[in-house]
Amino acid sequence: QKEVEQNSGPLSVPEGAIASLNCTYSDRGSQSFFWYRQYSGKSPELIMFIYSNGDKEDGRFTAQLNKASQYVSLLIRDSQPSDSATYLCAVNEVGNFNKFYFGSGTKLNVKP
Amino acid sequence: DVKVTQSSRYLVKRTGEKVFLECVQDMDHENMFWYRQDPGLGLRLIYFSYDVKMKEKGDIPEGYSVSREKKERFSLILESASTNQTSMYLCASSWTGGQPQHFGDGTRLSIL
Repeated sequence: QKEVEQNSGPLSVPEGAIASLNCTYSDRGSQSFFWYRQYSGKSPELIMFIYSNGDKEDGRFTAQLNKASQYVSLLIRDSQPSDSATYLCAVNEVGNFNKFYFGSGTKLNVKP
Repeated sequence: DVKVTQSSRYLVKRTGEKVFLECVQDMDHENMFWYRQDPGLGLRLIYFSYDVKMKEKGDIPEGYSVSREKKERFSLILESASTNQTSMYLCASSWTGGQPQHFGDGTRLSIL
């Protein structure tokens, strides 16, 4: 059974702090990794994607990938109340780039 | 920007009805997907299509069928709607396998 695991939260951080969201996956050999943000009642919105080991930065967001340990993280610097949402991790199925598996998401609360 | 448009935001149907959910994308993407999202179960893939008239079953295809007659349009069909198909349905598209998927706004479907 392919699995993408996320702590459901909620993760509460004060405004201006760094929020760290983690995701582990079971399918060794997965090559495409994505983070989506989903506001309540809305559809998922792509934030970042990463294909190679290491860090990838985009504004306040940094994705970190460690394939050996099979985890991918999302760091949000200078967290804002508008970042309060559920964050979904997605990983492709080995041998099938068309098929993604999504975690159940981590709910983030940023307190003003 | 990628635009994925789902025909209805909210839909109410009765058990036994044949239900059509439509999705259109404007970016000439090769791949299109249908997911359903339920509390506690996350996003689950129903079907996807990697080319016109080509389709592949996802993880939960039972009770559903799909149609892709034109590249930009992907339809999900509930052959005989049942109450356990009440859910949020999300359409997505991507350039090719392994590329980010972009979601429509979703259709909240209630089967009475």
